[in-house]
Parts: sequence; structure tokens; C-alpha cells
Amino acid sequence: EDKVVQSPLSLVVHEGDTVTLNCSYEVTNFRSLLWYKQEKKAPTFLFMLTSSGIEKKSGRLSSILDKKELFSILNITATQTGDSAVYLCAVVRGSQGNLIFGKGTKLSVKP
Amino acid sequence: GAGVSQSPSNKVTEKGKDVELRCDPISGHTALYWYRQSLGQGLEFLIYFQGNSAPDKSGLPSDRFSAERTGGSVSTLTIQRTQQEDSAVYLCASSLRSPGQGANYGYTFGSGTRLTVV
Repeated sequence: EDKVVQSPLSLVVHEGDTVTLNCSYEVTNFRSLLWYKQEKKAPTFLFMLTSSGIEKKSGRLSSILDKKELFSILNITATQTGDSAVYLCAVVRGSQGNLIFGKGTKLSVKP
Repeated sequence: GAGVSQSPSNKVTEKGKDVELRCDPISGHTALYWYRQSLGQGLEFLIYFQGNSAPDKSGLPSDRFSAERTGGSVSTLTIQRTQQEDSAVYLCASSLRSPGQGANYGYTFGSGTRLTVV
């Protein structure tokens, strides 16, 4: 059965800390891996990763994919209270593009 | 529209009633997906539309759930005879095209409908 596993499930840090969020997957017919930030209801897009070893960066956030070991990480440097959210990892499966989601990592950044 | 619009944003219904949830995707997006997010759970795939057809309904949890899409645009998810376990946030996402139809440009999510069955 296809699955996406995120760790840790929750994390509490202080402003300025650096965090690494993990996502491992076992999905047939893998197409790409996505990271989303969910604060209220609507997940907002962060990154789409398709190729191994190519780091994607956006400000203090970065992410990389390892298709051999079947995992991805999301790094956030110099965390701010506004980074507090649930971070979701999802794998795009097959030609239809269904997303298989992990349960998310709840990040809390304390002042 | 500029984004994916869902309505209502919140819905409280009595057990046994039917409910309709609406999703208005980004104009021109051919692929549309429904997901459900229950408390403490990840997002769970329900159904996928390509245009007006639904080639994958495998995620619908029971025959009380159905969905349609008209004009290649608006989609409606209907839950009949609601049960308390149906309480969740129902999210809709659209994409310009599905991966099988060419390069995938990602997915835009709506703000969801929070359904509470009492």
C-alpha cells in the first residue's frame, strides 16, 4: 500500500533556530513530491521536487529529494513565529496525479 | 477565478441530512480533486475529475458519497444521510492538467468546507 510518512509529528523551537522536517515515501508510479504549509485550512504550495539532488530554495526555506533512498527534507533556517504551521508532504502518483499525503509535521515557533 | 473557491466555508448539519459542498476551480484547470481531512489525520483522496468525467472514484468512503462536475468547471460533492464520522474539512484542489496530460504545474487548494455532523 502506498504511504508517505513524516517526522517528527510535532516540533517546538525558538525563534532563530533551524529545523529539518523529514518525509519518506513508498509510492508506486512516483511522479513528484510536494511540500505545503497549512496554517488555517488551505494548504499553500512551497516546493515541487521531481529530480534527485537538486535543492530548491525560497528565502529561508529549502528542500531536496533523494529518489534512491525515497525521502525528502524541508529545512527552515532562522525560524520566525510566522513559520508556525503544519507542514505537509505529498507525493504525486501516476498519470492522474492523485496526491498521497503524510500526516504532517506541526511546527510551533516560540518567541 | 483567481483561486479555488469553496462554499460553504462551514456547515453544521444534523445526522441523517444530506449536504452539498461546492468547488469552483481556477478557470481553465482541467483536473479537479476532492480530499478530506479528519481531525489528526492527513489529507485523504476522495475523487479525481478530468473535465467532467471521474476516472477515479476509489477514495469515496461509501455509496453515500457522490460527486459531479459540470461544464468542466464547478464540482459538487454530495453526502447523503450524513453520519458523525463524516465530520471533517473537505478540500478541493485544481490543476491545469493532470501529469498524464503533460507537465504538471502543481495544485491549488481551496480554503475548504468544515463539515460538522451533530
